[in-house]
Amino acid sequence: GENVEQHPSTLSVQEGDSAVIKCTYSDSASNYFPWYKQELGKRPQLIIDIRSNVGEKKDQRIAVTLNKTAKHFSLHITETQPEDSAVYFCAAKDTSYDKVIFGPGTSLSVIP
Amino acid sequence: DVKVTQSSRYLVKRTGEKVFLECVQDMDHENMFWYRQDPGLGLRLIYFSYDVKMKEKGDIPEGYSVSREKKERFSLILESASTNQTSMYLCASSQQGLREKLFFGSGTQLSVL
Repeated sequence: GENVEQHPSTLSVQEGDSAVIKCTYSDSASNYFPWYKQELGKRPQLIIDIRSNVGEKKDQRIAVTLNKTAKHFSLHITETQPEDSAVYFCAAKDTSYDKVIFGPGTSLSVIP
Repeated sequence: DVKVTQSSRYLVKRTGEKVFLECVQDMDHENMFWYRQDPGLGLRLIYFSYDVKMKEKGDIPEGYSVSREKKERFSLILESASTNQTSMYLCASSQQGLREKLFFGSGTQLSVL
């Protein structure tokens, strides 16, 4: 089955700097890669996703890139703000039963 | 907005008790899921259901069972709670044709003493 790894586990950046979180997946047939943000005490929420037929997708200050050959994808947050502080989970869709398999998460702290 | 409601935010149970975690969604979603969240391990899939009375094992089903008698409700059952089942439990739902776009509930923090 699918396995998703995520690095780093914790990340601290100064407000205004960029943050990058990297993930790798194992199933070369996976075709959907979402990113969820979980603020402290709240539910995870989908912030951006990418399908395997595109290499990059942007939404304002966040972007995701996908390298199918290397089986890795990354989340990029530019001009970070304190409200970006949260745990971020990458995930990949397992092609058996369309299950979503999550990485272990990255705790991002944006220091004012 | 999709609303996924979990019946309890915090729950404390004793070892050996039978525990029911309830989840209800109000958007007529066909698909429902139970995940367990532990620090450093992310969200791990316990069970899922793509239709009423249908259930499939996820990656960590041992010690759990589920029930889906109605489309809007998906229950997670711990037949005999153990201390290693202390965790945050998250329910999620998604619509037909977009199984992978998950809407999560707020979670139930279960402590087994």
